Amino acid sequence: EPEVTQTPSHQVTQMGQEVILRCVPISNHLYFYWYRQILGQKVEFLVSFYNNEISEKSEIFDDQFSVERPDGSNFTLKIRSTKLEDSAMYFCASRPTGNNEQFFGPGTRLTVL
Amino acid sequence: KQEVTQIPAALSVPEGENLVLNCSFTDSAIYNLQWFRQDPGKGLTSLLLIQSSQREQTSGRLNASLDKSSGRSTLYIAASQPGDSATYLCAVKDRGGKLIFGQGTELSVKP
Repeated sequence: EPEVTQTPSHQVTQMGQEVILRCVPISNHLYFYWYRQILGQKVEFLVSFYNNEISEKSEIFDDQFSVERPDGSNFTLKIRSTKLEDSAMYFCASRPTGNNEQFFGPGTRLTVL
Repeated sequence: KQEVTQIPAALSVPEGENLVLNCSFTDSAIYNLQWFRQDPGKGLTSLLLIQSSQREQTSGRLNASLDKSSGRSTLYIAASQPGDSATYLCAVKDRGGKLIFGQGTELSVKP
């Protein structure tokens, strides 16, 4: 059964460093999302991406964040200069066209020291 | 602004019991509602999707209902098992396509 994959599973970085979180969505899906979950808190929406552009972003998704679909299979989230408060589990999700369910990857746990 | 609330925050039941998890949302203009399961430190597994025009969906021992006008959904789990222990999240899809999540109900099923 097709699934969303994410790498790495855990990333530890120093404050101020850049990180890139990688996702491979399900191959025939067209809509891509990043969400995050700070420990003990709700899952929160970051950004949605369709047709090679951002369709919606949240207040969290400021100039330090960017997304890219560099090669038609990967979908990446870059944080340019990490802060302590960026420590969270980051989930990638994808869905096909229509009003269908979103499928989530296993997540990347980001720890900023 | 859409707010999603789940009650109770935690629930502990003996094995074999039937149980109901509740989800409420403030804005009835939703496109669909998804129930997820999350095991500790893990990703989100989709359990059921209910379209805004539907009243319920069933999958095995799980049954989800939706009352859009009152802003409520329930997840009914029949004959609970220890393997059902996890956090259950509901999320509503808004006009823009993003999911807005509740804080989850942590379920513990005791053998």
